[in-house]
Parts: sequence; structure tokens; C-alpha cells
Amino acid sequence: QQQVKQSPQSLIVQKGGISIINCAYENTAFDYFPWYQQFPGKGPALLIAIRPDVSEKKEGRFTISFNKSAKQFSLHIMDSQPGDSATYFCAASVSGAGSYQLTFGKGTKLSVIP
Amino acid sequence: DAMVIQNPRYQVTQFGKPVTLSCSQTLNHNVMYWYQQKSSQAPKLLFHYYDKDFNNEADTPDNFQSRRPNTSFCFLDIRSPGLGDAAMYLCATSRGGGTLPYEQYFGPGTRLTVT
Repeated sequence: QQQVKQSPQSLIVQKGGISIINCAYENTAFDYFPWYQQFPGKGPALLIAIRPDVSEKKEGRFTISFNKSAKQFSLHIMDSQPGDSATYFCAASVSGAGSYQLTFGKGTKLSVIP
Repeated sequence: DAMVIQNPRYQVTQFGKPVTLSCSQTLNHNVMYWYQQKSSQAPKLLFHYYDKDFNNEADTPDNFQSRRPNTSFCFLDIRSPGLGDAAMYLCATSRGGGTLPYEQYFGPGTRLTVT
């Protein structure tokens, strides 16, 4: 119930291409879905987040698409750049007082090649 | 710049020798978290503090303890490190209260090696 499944495990994209990472969840109580970006040797940093009352959120080259009925959400990176090479984690949590646990997917290592 | 600071960045300890990792924050957040991240895996929450209120995850081994002497500092104590405890330990902070989840801000991590 608490698991978030993320795919693919690794992804190689040419510079300028579109990177797509997918996540699926089972727990219908999840109502906050952030994506974190982690560079080697660094802690994760929030990239973009979405709530299930919208189907899409865009920030610059990064877009989250959300499909509530399918319990799936995805990250799209447009015009991928070598500087985007990092590990990306999707996550989910439940709003509510006292609920602070983020459930992370296993991560996708993205490599953008020139 | 407001931030989450972890010391040391790299720690080597011997099997069974107690070790303490530290975290400090200048964000004045009332929630602090400790995560364990093993190679190529997702961060796993060990416990968190809401102010001085300690919350342990059900599957966190007793070998791991934490202290939060004040708002700014939080420590992770590993009483008897085993080889399986070698990992990156991440500290994070967030605001708390209300009904909205707040963004978690992560420190750079401490890489623990157990020999």
C-alpha cells in the first residue's frame, strides 16, 4: 500500500531530447507527489510537485503529468541538457497533521549525452 | 544562505564502534528528519522530530538513536555499527503543523563507511 514504483531504473537521452520517467502508486490516500533531483554526492532537492486536483504542472522545461484514475504520474524533461544528468526520485505522501513521511520510488539515473 | 549542514561529510568507523553524525539548520524549521540511503536506493526514513517530539519509524533498528538538543541541531547516534549500516545518511528539515505537507530541504549527507 505504501509503495511507489518508478521506471525506468536508468535512462540515456540525447541532448535536446525528451526524458520521461514514470511512477505508479497504490495508496489512494496519497495526495502530494513531489519529484526530487539528486546529483552525485549531494542531497536530493525538490524539483517540482503536484497535487491530484490538477492533471499537469509545468515549470520551465519540467512537467509533471498526473493520471488519478490510473494512479500514475510522470516527469517529462523537455530539451534535455547534459546538466540534467542526475538521479530523479518520485515520491508521495499523505497530507494531514502529523503525517510527515515521504515514500520514495527507487530512482531513475538519467544520463544526457551531447 | 539558509541551509542544512551535515558534519562530517565522510565518516569512517570500525565495526561495533559508536559513531555520531550531526546536522544543523539555519532555516528555523521545526521538523527534522534522518534518512538512510544505500547505494542506488531510495532514501529511507529512520525517524523525525517535530520540535522535541520524537517519531521513530516502525522498522528502524534499535541500534539507531537520535537527539535534538535545540531547534537548530539534530544528531544521529549509531550505537554499534555493522557492515550493513554503511550508507549515506541524509538530514532534512521542513516546516510543520497545519494540514499541508511542506517541502523537505536536504543536507548534502554524510557518507559512513564501516570497516
